[in-house]
Amino acid sequence: DQQVKQNSPSLSVQEGRISILNCDYTNSMFDYFLWYKKYPAEGPTFLISISSIKDKNEDGRFTVFLNKSAKHLSLHIVPSQPGDSAVYFCAASDRGSTLGRLYFGRGTQLTVWP
Amino acid sequence: NAGVTQTPKFQVLKTGQSMTLQCAQDMNHNSMYWYRQDPGMGLRLIYYSASEGTTDKGEVPNGYNVSRLNKREFSLRLESAAPSQTSVYFCASRANRGNTEAFFGQGTRLTVV
Repeated sequence: DQQVKQNSPSLSVQEGRISILNCDYTNSMFDYFLWYKKYPAEGPTFLISISSIKDKNEDGRFTVFLNKSAKHLSLHIVPSQPGDSAVYFCAASDRGSTLGRLYFGRGTQLTVWP
Repeated sequence: NAGVTQTPKFQVLKTGQSMTLQCAQDMNHNSMYWYRQDPGMGLRLIYYSASEGTTDKGEVPNGYNVSRLNKREFSLRLESAAPSQTSVYFCASRANRGNTEAFFGQGTRLTVV
């Protein structure tokens, strides 16, 4: 039973345009959300996060939006660059848990073409 | 500034052989994790450890054992490898408290033939 879902396995975007990656969750106890980026043959690397007390967090070209009522978050990349081509994982955690467990979605392969 | 270090990077095993994947972190994190990544399946949690001396099963623990040797090290053992365990394995660590990210190692690509 997946508690974090990324329903689009792939996304293709032209360079310079906006990339929007989506993520849904089912557990209302989740209060911290993260996005990871993964290149082939490397480990996932942290990209950006958002706490449930916010609805938006921005870091350069990357913005994460959180809609708690819909249990939905999205990652916007503007403008998209070919170097952004990677697999993006959405993750969530329950701050009330002392175990520190992260729940991951299955990932979205983003391809940015020139 | 090593972060999370995994060994080995690559391994080929025959069915029935055993091996241990090693993981160490130098960030003084309490929590450590083992994930496997398979095509279309994302990152699935095998085992995790919230602190030294404690371990808990994740989503896919069958066929694996773990050992939290000390705060730094968390090893994953395959007692009798099966082709279904062919995968890429990632170790990660995270501070328990507060809103923090997990840090991942570079991965171990394991093939069981």
